[in-house]
Amino acid sequence: DVKVTQSSRYLVKRTGEKVFLECVQDMDHENMFWYRQDPGLGLRLIYFSYDVKMKEKGDIPEGYSVSREKKERFSLILESASTNQTSMYLCASRWTAGYEQYFGPGTRLTVT
Amino acid sequence: EDKVVQSPLSLVVHEGDTVTLNCSYEVTNFRSLLWYKQEKKAPTFLFMLTSSGIEKKSGRLSSILDKKELFSILNITATQTGDSAIYLCAVRFNNNDMRFGAGTRLTVKP
Repeated sequence: DVKVTQSSRYLVKRTGEKVFLECVQDMDHENMFWYRQDPGLGLRLIYFSYDVKMKEKGDIPEGYSVSREKKERFSLILESASTNQTSMYLCASRWTAGYEQYFGPGTRLTVT
Repeated sequence: EDKVVQSPLSLVVHEGDTVTLNCSYEVTNFRSLLWYKQEKKAPTFLFMLTSSGIEKKSGRLSSILDKKELFSILNITATQTGDSAIYLCAVRFNNNDMRFGAGTRLTVKP
């Protein structure tokens, strides 16, 4: 079974804090993705990575950065958290040749 | 602009009803359309469609794609309370791009 795990299910941070969200997959997938999900807006792609040390901006990269030092781990970084970054964050992974994305359980982040 | 639009955004039905969820898209170099079910946490995969007119079926759920009119439908017959979820449509296009719709929140009342 493919397993994608995220470091926290719930997180509360203060405005201006630096926030790290970690995602780990155990199936040797090349591609990894970070989305945020907001009511009425669906899943929006923040960043994705095709391989180690490789990253590409998605639809809404502003205010975020990512790191992929190892194939199994993809980190999302909020350099200075703001209240409009309160959201559900979902990580996903996929084989390059595959069609299905496997999702982690999500991290509900609240920035106060 | 590439986009995926789902309708309705929200739907409330009673157990036993049949529902039809819609997904229309406008993308460059369409590759496939995927349906996911999301309950309290991670979305789980339901179907992938690449060819027009071929119905995919799994129990009470079925889906079909129309590549000429650029839409797909997801049907659920004899709904149960366990079908309550957000149903997400995603379209894969170009080489490796994927875009999700806003989702349809289905509530099935006993």
